[in-house]
Amino acid sequence: DIQMTQSPSSLSASVGDRVTITCRASEDISNYVYWYQQKPGKAPELLTYGASRSQSGVSGRFSGSGSGTDFTLTISSLQPEDFATYYCHQSYRVPFTFGPGTKVDLK
Amino acid sequence: QVHLVQSGADVKRPGSSVKVSCKASGGNFNSYTYAWVRQAPGQGLEWMGRIIPILGVTNYAQKFQDRFTITADKSTSTAYMELSGLRSDDTAVYYCARDGDGSGNYYNFWGQGTLVTVSS
Repeated sequence: DIQMTQSPSSLSASVGDRVTITCRASEDISNYVYWYQQKPGKAPELLTYGASRSQSGVSGRFSGSGSGTDFTLTISSLQPEDFATYYCHQSYRVPFTFGPGTKVDLK
Repeated sequence: QVHLVQSGADVKRPGSSVKVSCKASGGNFNSYTYAWVRQAPGQGLEWMGRIIPILGVTNYAQKFQDRFTITADKSTSTAYMELSGLRSDDTAVYYCARDGDGSGNYYNFWGQGTLVTVSS
């Protein structure tokens, strides 16, 4: 199975900060990486697909990049509604897998 | 407007089975892939498997291979997951999810989640 790791596992930030979350795959997965945001008690929501394409309706402050094994999700200016947990996900090969998550909370 | 509505919370005894439904509305049921993802309390997301109804294809995570089944009823636009041999560590919220473009690669739409509690 393809293993996905994320760093950091958690971070504390302030409103207006630029935040970068990293995801690494255990093998080359091209651009088959997707990022989700999850808030407590809610289902995940898709942020980006194909590593760098933003989902319709998602704020432009979220952007993804990377290919191969290394990927990043960047929040350009953190807003109060962005405090949540973020997961990367690969669909290059079944079984699909998620990263362990990065929790972003208020400093 | 796409909606995935899951069946309600359930409490099961260890060793028993649970079946959770996911009724889809909006769009052609057959054109998309349906996945099941679970989340244990305080833990991350875990991909369990998927079904592609139009092909009749299922894929499962090895961890669940021998006790997990996904089915789909095209006549009612409903996907199901059944997990047998329940253990306490199967206590989790189970989500169904659907892709948005037929690729099966990512999930635009999610059900509300179903809490399954395994307890004696």
